[in-house]
Amino acid sequence: DAGVTQSPTHLIKTRGQHVTLRCSPISGHKSVSWYQQVLGQGPQFIFQYYEKEERGRGNFPDRFSARQFPNYSSELNVNALLLGDSALYLCASSSQYTDTQYFGPGTRLTVL
Amino acid sequence: AQKITQTQPGMFVQEKEAVTLDCTYDTSDPSYGLFWYKQPSSGEMIFLIYQGSYDQQNATEGRYSLNFQKARKSANLVISASQLGDSAMYFCAMRPSRGGGNKLTFGTGTQLKVEL
Repeated sequence: DAGVTQSPTHLIKTRGQHVTLRCSPISGHKSVSWYQQVLGQGPQFIFQYYEKEERGRGNFPDRFSARQFPNYSSELNVNALLLGDSALYLCASSSQYTDTQYFGPGTRLTVL
Repeated sequence: AQKITQTQPGMFVQEKEAVTLDCTYDTSDPSYGLFWYKQPSSGEMIFLIYQGSYDQQNATEGRYSLNFQKARKSANLVISASQLGDSAMYFCAMRPSRGGGNKLTFGTGTQLKVEL
């Protein structure tokens, strides 16, 4: 079975631009969570979606938004990019039967 | 609020030796889960092992075992018979019980280097 997939792998943007990151969960998983990992730190929780509804939100500004589609894939949108948004963005999926989250390979975003 | 502390920024171990990576946590939740993930230089977070706070026995998964001491609030990862491929960053993480949502709180990680 395929694991969590994310696209694109790498992305370079300039300050003020907008970016959309995409994630497809493991087949059968209905929950998707997004994390930001700045260089040298552990991942920080951004959002969780379950059955297309937001179930959790971390301490991130309103420039960050997300949504989940009927097929359980998800998008993370970031508006008005800042240099500090440069990070590895990780998506994780989980089933309703276990506590374990499985991560994708991440999208490395660079803001210039 | 939950907090994870990993006090070892870097660790070295010789191939075939065992190594223990430390993790302490702080939470007011009565029920929680503890996780260890491995992150190679490629960036993907690889799930290694899980321990529920009410599990009576320490979790084991192949060469990985979790030394869970609830009273001390510690959840150390033990890797037996280290291999060169174990060289990576290791993160300890926790999440509250199911009712608390899916948010994982991570520590700052330990960089493990396995040497010949």
